Amino acid sequence: EPEVTQTPSHQVTQMGQEVILRCVPISNHLYFYWYRQILGQKVEFLVSFYNNEISEKSEIFDDQFSVERPDGSNFTLKIRSTKLEDSAMYFCASTLMQGVDQPQHFGDGTRLSIL
Amino acid sequence: DQQVKQNSPSLSVQEGRISILNCDYTNSMFDYFLWYKKYPAEGPTFLISISSIKDKNEDGRFTVFLNKSAKHLSLHIVPSQPGDSAVYFCAAKDTGNQFYFGTGTSLTVIP
Repeated sequence: EPEVTQTPSHQVTQMGQEVILRCVPISNHLYFYWYRQILGQKVEFLVSFYNNEISEKSEIFDDQFSVERPDGSNFTLKIRSTKLEDSAMYFCASTLMQGVDQPQHFGDGTRLSIL
Repeated sequence: DQQVKQNSPSLSVQEGRISILNCDYTNSMFDYFLWYKKYPAEGPTFLISISSIKDKNEDGRFTVFLNKSAKHLSLHIVPSQPGDSAVYFCAAKDTGNQFYFGTGTSLTVIP
């Protein structure tokens, strides 16, 4: 069964540094998402992306964050000038279409640790 | 602002019995509801869903019930198996395609 893959599985970065989290969505999917889960808290929506542009973003997704689909397969989340509170699991997800009856398929996540 | 709530952080059930996981929501505009299962060190895995126009959806041992008037969603697993032990997340989608997750319920099925 096709799956969403994320790399790296664990990223350790010094505070203030930039980090890029990578995702390869399911190949025929058109909608892409990033979520984060701070330890012990709920999964939080960050951003959705379709047709090479952001379609929705949450309050969390401020100017520190950006997303990109640099080629036909990768979908990246960039965090500039990382802060301690950015430490979390970051999940990428994709769906074939938008709307009802379109569950999101998640990757296994990247654990980001900011030191 | 927690639009999707799972008030039980954990649940223990004997193997073979029914597991009932509950979820409440506040936004009447949600049009699609999902349950995800999550094992440690893995991403959430889609389990079952229901659209807002239905009140029940069944898939094998899993049934999701939706009570729109009460803004309540539940997942029934019967019979429960030890392999069902995981964290279960309730999620809801608004008409703008944004998904909101609950905080999860950790289910332990005791052999």
